[in-house]
Amino acid sequence: GAVVSQHPSRVICKSGTSVKIECRSLDFQATTMFWYRQFPKQSLMLMATSNEGSKATYEQGVEKDKFLINHASLTLSTLTVTSAHPEDSSFYICSARRAGGGGTDTQYFGPGTRLTVL
Amino acid sequence: GENVEQHPSTLSVQEGDSAVIKCTYSDSASNYFPWYKQELGKGPQLIIDIRSNVGEKKDQRIAVTLNKTAKHFSLHITETQPEDSAVYFCAALRNSGYALNFGKGTSLLVTP
Repeated sequence: GAVVSQHPSRVICKSGTSVKIECRSLDFQATTMFWYRQFPKQSLMLMATSNEGSKATYEQGVEKDKFLINHASLTLSTLTVTSAHPEDSSFYICSARRAGGGGTDTQYFGPGTRLTVL
Repeated sequence: GENVEQHPSTLSVQEGDSAVIKCTYSDSASNYFPWYKQELGKGPQLIIDIRSNVGEKKDQRIAVTLNKTAKHFSLHITETQPEDSAVYFCAALRNSGYALNFGKGTSLLVTP
């Protein structure tokens, strides 16, 4: 199967600092990547859709100035949590869309990044 | 709006028994339905998916069925093993933008 990596796997930061999370598709090109947030024992909540070479599309209620997304290449998307606060502590997961022929797209998820804001 | 309902939220079975998880979706334009398995502290892993042009797909002990008319699809795990214990999520592709709508998950526990 396709491999998606995330870095770092966990990060602890002080309130007010910014944190960058990287998502990479290792063995395929991904024109579209997605960023999710997951709170304990809950489902995945889509934050934004990241398109290579264009601006990200944010879900309703997600602050685009707080969660900066950059998708500069076909294998890398980054999420920067700016001025992080304790309520931003969560499990952040990315996924990458692997395009297939004849409408056979598939999405693969990264291992997630555990963010703890003190 | 578009949403995916998933039942049950928790499921406990004995090793060797079968487990069935059911999902319904509201967007009739959805044509792709993946299932993911998520272990504690890890990202979701794609285990099987089905597209709207087929009614059933099987991969060893795992199978998925789709009823487009009723807008529901199900995951079937046979001969369950303790390592099948995890949270399972169903999803349906949105009709635009390639994003997925997820169910709320089913916590499956397989007891030896």
